[in-house]
Amino acid sequence: AQSVAQPEDQVNVAEGNPLTVKCTYSVSGNPYLFWYVQYPNRGLQFLLKYITGDNLVKGSYGFEAEFNKSQTSFHLKKPSALVSDSALYFCAVRDYGGSQGNLIFGKGTKLSVKP
Amino acid sequence: DTAVSQTPKYLVTQMGNDKSIKCEQNLGHDTMYWYKQDSKKFLKIMFSYNNKELIINETVPNRFSPKSPDKAHLNLHINSLELGDSAVYFCASSQERTRVTGELFFGEGSRLTVL
Repeated sequence: AQSVAQPEDQVNVAEGNPLTVKCTYSVSGNPYLFWYVQYPNRGLQFLLKYITGDNLVKGSYGFEAEFNKSQTSFHLKKPSALVSDSALYFCAVRDYGGSQGNLIFGKGTKLSVKP
Repeated sequence: DTAVSQTPKYLVTQMGNDKSIKCEQNLGHDTMYWYKQDSKKFLKIMFSYNNKELIINETVPNRFSPKSPDKAHLNLHINSLELGDSAVYFCASSQERTRVTGELFFGEGSRLTVL
């Protein structure tokens, strides 16, 4: 079965510094990977996805993610963090096996950006 | 206009009651989902549904039932509510033809509290 792991419960970054939120995956075929952000008391918002092609994927709000097949990772990055980036970030993989395409989410990583 | 809208946003009820949460999407999508987010923010798929088939996560109790009057709506009915049903329930939608590669669009969530 497909799965993703987010090894960090929380990431703390100072405003202006680069940030990385880690994600590793396990799939039986081609990986279709996604990042979502959830602000407090809000729904999930799509940031970016990797389907095929360039390993560096650019998304919303200045975020990007690097797909690394050899390390089975899909880390989320941003060159310069903003206080407003503080939120809960979810990595997800498509389960295109028995569940026919449902998104399987990691447990989430809380990003805290301090001024 | 909100793309995926859920009502009510908050729902407080007693154990044993029956309640419903409504979801509507105006994106023209043909696949809809219900996810449950527990107190630890873990997201779990409950159902996915298009006009052809309903796929049920086998761990979901049969007290939960999705009902779709048309492809723009997927309501969630819950019978005999239990304390453990307290959670935030998210509706989402996507396009069937890009089911594996396309992103999901989420509603703002419905927070259910069972007393």
